[in-house]
Amino acid sequence: DTGVSQDPRHKITKRGQNVTFRCDPISEHNRLYWYRQTLGQGPEFLTYFQNEAQLEKSRLLSDRFSAERPKGSFSTLEIQRTEQGDSAMYLCASSLNGLAPNTQYFGPGTRLTVL
Amino acid sequence: ILNVEQSPQSLHVQEGDSTNFTCSFPSSNFYALHWYRWETAKSPEALFVMTLNGDEKKKGRISATLNTKEGYSYLYIKGSQPEDSATYLCAFITLGSQGNLIFGKGTKLSVKP
Repeated sequence: DTGVSQDPRHKITKRGQNVTFRCDPISEHNRLYWYRQTLGQGPEFLTYFQNEAQLEKSRLLSDRFSAERPKGSFSTLEIQRTEQGDSAMYLCASSLNGLAPNTQYFGPGTRLTVL
Repeated sequence: ILNVEQSPQSLHVQEGDSTNFTCSFPSSNFYALHWYRWETAKSPEALFVMTLNGDEKKKGRISATLNTKEGYSYLYIKGSQPEDSATYLCAFITLGSQGNLIFGKGTKLSVKP
């Protein structure tokens, strides 16, 4: 157990529905990342928060995706009007800001299936 | 486009065999290289982070080396055990980035008893 939790672990939805995932990072970690892994690929970066500020978004993050981290603690990732291409494993990771390269601690992921 | 290549894609070995995997990455603007182990239905687990050319790290039967000049890292597992079965991911961070990891596709290791 890395200390990072994600909910739900699995989500099956129909195309066109909205879904929201939650990530609870390690409590003292101020950095939070979202990644997505599709079949046969490595995880790909989606977005990054430092405390409550969203500082970077990948071009993979279309307008249908929105992420928040109110109060700099847990984070949510919402996908509106889901498409079959959104089916993937969504991973969250947290780390502590510091001088050394930050080890990111990952949650177990949320597997999304869009029918 | 920054690419991380891992080889082989998959590997099947017998218990007790030693094995190694390769990770290739762009050598320019290098900041750090991470190795993760990801077992099915679990969280990816951090194994090593390396930053300096020539770095070598060891954790039990697993070790890793780093060559930043030529852009590659090796991961070695000595005397593989069935519990080593997992996907091994390498990821690098570029200088000046926000720390987001750029992953390879991973090497899936299966160790037969």
